[in-house]
Amino acid sequence: DQQVKQNSPSLSVQEGRISILNCDYTNSMFDYFLWYKKYPAEGPTFLISISSIKDKNEDGRFTVFLNKSAKHLSLHIVPSQPGDSAVYFCAASYNQAGTALIFGKGTTLSVSS
Amino acid sequence: EAEVAQSPRYKITEKSQAVAFWCDPISGHATLYWYRQILGQGPELLVQFQDESVVDDSQLPKDRFSAERLKGVDSTLKIQPAELGDSAMYLCASSRAWDTYEQYFGPGTRLTVT
Repeated sequence: DQQVKQNSPSLSVQEGRISILNCDYTNSMFDYFLWYKKYPAEGPTFLISISSIKDKNEDGRFTVFLNKSAKHLSLHIVPSQPGDSAVYFCAASYNQAGTALIFGKGTTLSVSS
Repeated sequence: EAEVAQSPRYKITEKSQAVAFWCDPISGHATLYWYRQILGQGPELLVQFQDESVVDDSQLPKDRFSAERLKGVDSTLKIQPAELGDSAMYLCASSRAWDTYEQYFGPGTRLTVT
């Protein structure tokens, strides 16, 4: 059973608008969450992360929100740019740092100009 | 900016043949991971090293897969014999220390088994 779920395989947004990518998890032991961006033929690139003791983390155009009670997190990109078009993976970790990440299946974001 | 290096970038091999992938992590990164990503899925861990020691290989199909990191720096992942179902992207990642969550990925090796 998937512990990290990204239920929307794809999302299309116009340039300048907000992109919201969602992620749900089932394991309450997860204590750290990360978002990665992946372009075709490249490896995933770390984007932003959040500890379970926080409910928001912001870095420039990217903000991640965590709702522990709902076991849900979201990535907001404002404003969206065509260069943001990529596959976005939600990942989670538990027990301690240095353990393997558990990834969702990814959401393909397409930003049109 | 330091990067994780992987080679080859692409590999086509026939089933039953042996294949090997190489990874050089970011300098100073003690933890190294090999992940496999099947098309349409997220990466899944195959094996994790802390320096030269295997920390987790519970998901590594040990009848055909092997991995080593002899000097605690670069690493090799081998498949022998390759099967059609092994076609995937093989990703190497490293992290700075045991207390770091963020992992940095290489470009991956795209394996096609025919």
